[in-house]
Amino acid sequence: DSGVTQTPKHLITATGQRVTLRCSPRSGDLSVYWYQQSLDQGLQFLIHYYNGEERAKGNILERFSAQQFPDLHSELNLSSLELGDSALYFCASGGTSYEQYFGPGTRLTVT
Amino acid sequence: GENVEQHPSTLSVQEGDSAVIKCTYSDSASNYFPWYKQELGKRPQLIIDIRSNVGEKKDQRIAVTLNKTAKHFSLHITETQPEDSAVYFCAASSGNQFYFGTGTSLTVIP
Repeated sequence: DSGVTQTPKHLITATGQRVTLRCSPRSGDLSVYWYQQSLDQGLQFLIHYYNGEERAKGNILERFSAQQFPDLHSELNLSSLELGDSALYFCASGGTSYEQYFGPGTRLTVT
Repeated sequence: GENVEQHPSTLSVQEGDSAVIKCTYSDSASNYFPWYKQELGKRPQLIIDIRSNVGEKKDQRIAVTLNKTAKHFSLHITETQPEDSAVYFCAASSGNQFYFGTGTSLTVIP
C-alpha cells in the first residue's frame, strides 16, 4: 500500500457525460500528478499540482481539468466523455524528493 | 518536450538468467530516472531510481546505469525469478513532469 488513495475504483458512464476522480496524497506529500493509462499508449502524464498550484501540464485535453484543494487532495474532472477516454487513471503523490508513489487507480469505462 | 524510448517491448528469459531493459531520452534537462514495475491490474511501483549525478545504482538483484552523455539508461535484473514477471516502465523527469517509456513486458520462464 503506497498510502495514496483514489476513488472511485471503477466508474462506468455514457458518452457525453462528466465525471470527477478523486485522489488523496500520502501524508506530508505536497505534489499530486495525474496519469492516463490506455492499453495502446502506456502512461501519459496529464498534469502536476504542488501545494495547490499547477506546476506542469502534459497531454491533457481541454475537456479535462484538475485542481488541488487546501487539504491537498486533488480532483480530475473529465467532461464530454468519449469512448476513447476509457482508461485507467492514476494519481501519484510526491514529497520534496523526486520520488512519486502511485495510487491504485480508477478504471473508467465510457459506453 | 521530452521523448523516452524503451526497448525491447517484450522480453522472455529463463529463470536465473539476467534481463536488461534500455531507455533513451531526449531532454538534457531531465535529471531523475525512475523505474517502475507494474503487475497486471495493479499500480506502478517504484523499484529503483537514479539521479543525473550518479552513474550506477544497485539494490540487491536490481541495478540501473545512466550515461548522461549518450542520454541512455538501463535496468539490469540478475538471477531472475518468476515473480519478476511484470511490465517495467522507465521514466525521465526534470521534477515537474514525468515522461514514461512504452513499457517492457518481462516473462521469466521457470
